[in-house]
Amino acid sequence: AQSVTQLDSHVSVSEGTPVLLRCNYSSSYSPSLFWYVQHPNKGLQLLLKYTSAATLVKGINGFEAEFKKSETSFHLTKPSAHMSDAAEYFCVVRAGRSSNTGKLIFGQGTTLQVKP
Amino acid sequence: DAGVTQSPTHLIKTRGQQVTLRCSPKSGHDTVSWYQQALGQGPQFIFQYYEEEERQRGNFPDRFSGHQFPNYSSELNVNALLLGDSALYLCASSPDRGGYGYTFGSGTRLTVV
Repeated sequence: AQSVTQLDSHVSVSEGTPVLLRCNYSSSYSPSLFWYVQHPNKGLQLLLKYTSAATLVKGINGFEAEFKKSETSFHLTKPSAHMSDAAEYFCVVRAGRSSNTGKLIFGQGTTLQVKP
Repeated sequence: DAGVTQSPTHLIKTRGQQVTLRCSPKSGHDTVSWYQQALGQGPQFIFQYYEEEERQRGNFPDRFSGHQFPNYSSELNVNALLLGDSALYLCASSPDRGGYGYTFGSGTRLTVV
């Protein structure tokens, strides 16, 4: 079975400092991994996706993530936090080896707080 | 280009009642999935519809049922509501073919009292 574990339930950073949100995955084959962001009272927005191409994935709003098979990790980073980055972030793995529409399995989420 | 539309946005129901939530997928998408997000949790997969049939199902009781119409829109029905059914219900649409393309709606907030 596939799963993801978000290692921090809450991360607090100051505006302008780097962001690191940690995610480990478990999969018996090469996974498809995603990061989603959810602002209060809003739906989920895709930040970036890894689908076995380049291991360093660039997303929207300056976010990027690196797929590390040896560490089974897919951590999300951003060089400089903005106040607007404050939100809930979900690490997600897609079930199914080749299904385009396999169900998504979400981590528990990390709340990112950005202090002025 | 309209994204995924869900209705209603908020709903309050009493224990034991039944509820129907609606979802219109993004244009060009033919697959609809439903997720339940309890407060402080990540979304959990309920089921997925394609060609008007339930294609996949998560670990939810039979009280949760759905339907997909010929125009690809979908309904989620929950019978005999429990307090624990209070959650944000998210609909996601995607194309069956052509690469990754999940688009989520803003959800329906269901409160059971």
